[in-house]
Amino acid sequence: AQSVTQPDIHITVSEGASLELRCNYSYGATPYLFWYVQSPGQGLQLLLKYFSGDTLVQGIKGFEAEFKRSQSSFNLRKPSVHWSDAAEYFCAVAGGTSYGKLTFGQGTILTVHP
Amino acid sequence: NAGVTQTPKFQVLKTGQSMTLQCAQDMNHNSMYWYRQDPGMGLRLIYYSASEGTTDKGEVPNGYNVSRLNKREFSLRLESAAPSQTSVYFCASTEGAYEQYFGPGTRLTVT
Repeated sequence: AQSVTQPDIHITVSEGASLELRCNYSYGATPYLFWYVQSPGQGLQLLLKYFSGDTLVQGIKGFEAEFKRSQSSFNLRKPSVHWSDAAEYFCAVAGGTSYGKLTFGQGTILTVHP
Repeated sequence: NAGVTQTPKFQVLKTGQSMTLQCAQDMNHNSMYWYRQDPGMGLRLIYYSASEGTTDKGEVPNGYNVSRLNKREFSLRLESAAPSQTSVYFCASTEGAYEQYFGPGTRLTVT
């Protein structure tokens, strides 16, 4: 069975600082990987996805993520955080014959200090 | 193009009451999903419908039923609500490549 772990429940950064959110997955074959963002009281919005090819993927709002098969990781990064990035971030995995069923991590809450 | 819509946005039920959460998508997607979100647990799949006319259980189906009314609509029913079903419920849809589009959610409180 596939699974996702986000080791950090809550991260606080200063505006303008760099950001890295960690995600580790467990899946037997090449996974499909996603990062979603959820602002308070809102639904989930897709930031970026990895299916195959280049292991560094670019997303919306200046985010990027790197797929590292050897480490079973798909960490999310942003060089300079803006106050509007404060939200909860979810990593998710899907693959094989799971009919698109996503397995989500527990989420990481990002707080941005001015 | 509204994407995925859910009704109602908020609901308060008493233990034992029943209700149906409605979901509709206008993107002509084949697959639809119901998740629940609880603090510290991410989103967990309740039921899904890979295509019109089919439904299957997800990770946490107990206490719920679903109906795929047509290609656009996928409803979730709580027959006898329990306080453990207090949660935020999200509907999502996808076509093919796993990228799911989410509705705005329904906040349900069971007292």
